[in-house]
Amino acid sequence: ILNVEQSPQSLHVQEGDSTNFTCSFPSSNFYALHWYRWETAKSPEALFVMTLNGDEKKKGRISATLNTKEGYSYLYIKGSQPEDSATYLCGVGSNYQLIWGAGTKLIIKP
Amino acid sequence: DVKVTQSSRYLVKRTGEKVFLECVQDMDHENMFWYRQDPGLGLRLIYFSYDVKMKEKGDIPEGYSVSREKKERFSLILESASTNQTSMYLCASSPPSHRVPQYYGYTFGSGTRLTVV
Repeated sequence: ILNVEQSPQSLHVQEGDSTNFTCSFPSSNFYALHWYRWETAKSPEALFVMTLNGDEKKKGRISATLNTKEGYSYLYIKGSQPEDSATYLCGVGSNYQLIWGAGTKLIIKP
Repeated sequence: DVKVTQSSRYLVKRTGEKVFLECVQDMDHENMFWYRQDPGLGLRLIYFSYDVKMKEKGDIPEGYSVSREKKERFSLILESASTNQTSMYLCASSPPSHRVPQYYGYTFGSGTRLTVV
């Protein structure tokens, strides 16, 4: 069974600082990797879908990289803002469904 | 603005009750999913459907059933609610890539927090 690990579990970051966190997964039988942002009382929102080794995607101050050979993806946030406070979910596809990590809870301190 | 709508934000039910959680999407998506989310765990797939009247068991289908009579609606049914089904339930949909739905981003509802007492 595919196991997706996200680290750290939670993270406190000063406003204005940059940060990153990790999603790790077994590298065999990989189809795609998804990143979502889930703010409290809202729906999880898709950030990126990545399928190819070496993929890099960017959306404003947020970017992500993918290494399928070694089984990890990094999510970077540059110049953190209070609105970045959320839980960031990683889902990895390996057949007909996504397997999800437990998330990284990011708290931005003003 | 595309949407996945879940019928209730909060729900409190008694042990043994039959519970219906409704999910409606307006994007004409073929694929729909029901997940539950518990503290410290990733989203766990209960059931999914890739077409009307089609359903597939996910990782934790025990105690649940689903119904997909129309493309836009996917219902999760707790046949006899138990306290261990207290959880956050999330519905999602995605465009078709047939049996590889994960090539496209999912659109989620805002969740139903169910408490079984």
